[in-house]
Amino acid sequence: DIVMTQSPDSLAVSLGERATINCKSSQSILYSSNNKDYLVWYQQKPGQPPKRLIYWASTRESGVPDRFSGSGSGTNFTLTISSLQAEDVAVYYCQQYCYFPHTFGQGTKLEIK
Amino acid sequence: QVQLVQSGSELKKPGASVKVSCKASGYMFTKYVMNWVRQAPGQGLEWMGWINANTGNPTYAQGFTGRFVFSLDTSVSTAYLQISSLRTDDTAVYYCAREGVGLDYWGQGTLVTVSS
Repeated sequence: DIVMTQSPDSLAVSLGERATINCKSSQSILYSSNNKDYLVWYQQKPGQPPKRLIYWASTRESGVPDRFSGSGSGTNFTLTISSLQAEDVAVYYCQQYCYFPHTFGQGTKLEIK
Repeated sequence: QVQLVQSGSELKKPGASVKVSCKASGYMFTKYVMNWVRQAPGQGLEWMGWINANTGNPTYAQGFTGRFVFSLDTSVSTAYLQISSLRTDDTAVYYCAREGVGLDYWGQGTLVTVSS
């Protein structure tokens, strides 16, 4: 199975500052036939189901604020929140959907400093 | 608009069975795969597998074979998760989620509590 490892496990950032969450896969999830990275980022707020933020590693979901961006390719990926807002407090997960099983990272808890 | 509405919370005793439903609306049910995801209390997300709503063919992740069964009733656009021989460590929120380049729509979750 592909192991998805997120870092850090938790993160405290001041309002208006940048937050960066990393996700590393144990093998490449870049699919050569279409040159796409099969990685998605989700945001989960307390008591709610996860919400898809980013897919294909860098394509923002419609309606997601542009302060959220995804980058990376192959095995190393990053979710960046350019200017943290109070409503961004959540747990963030990455998931690969290239190979079965479609494994999730362990999650990164983002809080306000 | 796409909606996935799951059945309500369940309290079961060890050894019992439970069946969670996930009713889809707002899209053609048989055109998409439905995933199931488990989240134990205070823990992360765990992908359980999926069922192809067109063919009815299920795929189970390791650790979710044997006691876990995915099924469909396409006449009412509903997916089901049945868990038999429940154990206390099955206590979790179970989500259905549509596969659309990752999981694009999620149900609200169903809490299954297993306790004697």
